[in-house]
Amino acid sequence: GAVVSQHPSWVICKSGTSVKIECRSLDFQATTMFWYRQFPKQSLMLMATSNEGSKATYEQGVEKDKFLINHASLTLSTLTVTSAHPEDSSFYICSARDGRGPNGYTFGSGTRLTVV
Amino acid sequence: DQQVKQNSPSLSVQEGRISILNCDYTNSMFDYFLWYKKYPAEGPTFLISISSIKDKNEDGRFTVFLNKSAKHLSLHIVPSQPGDSAVYFCAGSAGTASKLTFGTGTRLQVTL
Repeated sequence: GAVVSQHPSWVICKSGTSVKIECRSLDFQATTMFWYRQFPKQSLMLMATSNEGSKATYEQGVEKDKFLINHASLTLSTLTVTSAHPEDSSFYICSARDGRGPNGYTFGSGTRLTVV
Repeated sequence: DQQVKQNSPSLSVQEGRISILNCDYTNSMFDYFLWYKKYPAEGPTFLISISSIKDKNEDGRFTVFLNKSAKHLSLHIVPSQPGDSAVYFCAGSAGTASKLTFGTGTRLQVTL
């Protein structure tokens, strides 16, 4: 089956530093990947949609200069949280379209980001 | 604007009984609905889905019902098992390869 690997699974960083999260499709090519954010006991909120070789499409209210998304290959998308602040602490999850029809969304295991 | 809502944040059901999780949506453009199961600190796992042209889809212990006129869907799990304890999210999509819009989630606890 389709597998998406997300790294790191957790990270702690200091305020003001940048953190990069990687999302890799291991056994399929993903032309479209999605990045979500989940606050405790809340829904998964879509941050942006990334398409291979083009600029990401950000949802309303998401700062594109703060959350940099790069989808340079068909198997890798990265999310960089720049100049992180404590309010950026959250659970970030990526998802990839795996070409298996309407059900074909494969999710990574998520990254717990804590900014201190 | 919460396009997908799950009004019950939590549900407790006895093992062997039926679990019914509800979901309401407002976006008429949704043509596909999916249910996911999620454990803490993990990504969602796909459970079952339904196309907007159908009113029922069944897969083993899981059945999803869609009432398009009421913009309501429900997930039935029968019989419920302790391993079903997790947070369940419904999601809608509008068109192929489109983004998923998730509901707020329902935490299911199946007790012995």
